[in-house]
Amino acid sequence: NAGVTQTPKFQVLKTGQSMTLQCAQDMNHNSMYWYRQDPGMGLRLIYYSASEGTTDKGEVPNGYNVSRLNKREFSLRLESAAPSQTSVYFCASQDPEAFFGQGTRLTVV
Amino acid sequence: AQTVTQSQPEMSVQEAETVTLSCTYDTSESNYYLFWYKQPPSRQMILVIRQEAYKQQNATENRFSVNFQKAAKSFSLKISDSQLGDTAMYFCAFMNRDDKIIFGKGTRLHILP
Repeated sequence: NAGVTQTPKFQVLKTGQSMTLQCAQDMNHNSMYWYRQDPGMGLRLIYYSASEGTTDKGEVPNGYNVSRLNKREFSLRLESAAPSQTSVYFCASQDPEAFFGQGTRLTVV
Repeated sequence: AQTVTQSQPEMSVQEAETVTLSCTYDTSESNYYLFWYKQPPSRQMILVIRQEAYKQQNATENRFSVNFQKAAKSFSLKISDSQLGDTAMYFCAFMNRDDKIIFGKGTRLHILP
């Protein structure tokens, strides 16, 4: 039972590069989320998806796009990475508590 | 907008002592969920306990219990007989009817030997 699988675990990007963080859950949950975690800021919601085919902005959506490909998968894309996007990113699915992936440590240089 | 406030950025207690972490939240809704999550140095987010707002009885999970005061919008976590493995960051979280989960900024807890 894998739960929530998030890839990659670590990534270094140069400013201006793009990348997609992948997330998949096998618990048949409707709702999925992307958070970023920065020191002293807790977890801040970037985007969430209440069901397949729907996405909504969270607290800090600027610079990100998401795709809810199907019920299992919810990806986060950085089109042009900036140093301010250096953070730890978490994907989660919910029913009703959140189940988290292992996190991605992203560094933008 | 809903907010979650954890007023204690950092705490330290001796092993085997009891410690209480504070959390307050702001909402106009009557039905919601509250959670406490633990994040050890491994970075993994682990659910500690959850409380449904319509339930008056405080949730308990082994050494972890909550004091849920709905009128005061307070949701504190009590850890009894604290252990070295309880050293972690603890996050209080609120989920509204839109299914958005909002987190506090966290309390870093150190259990001292």
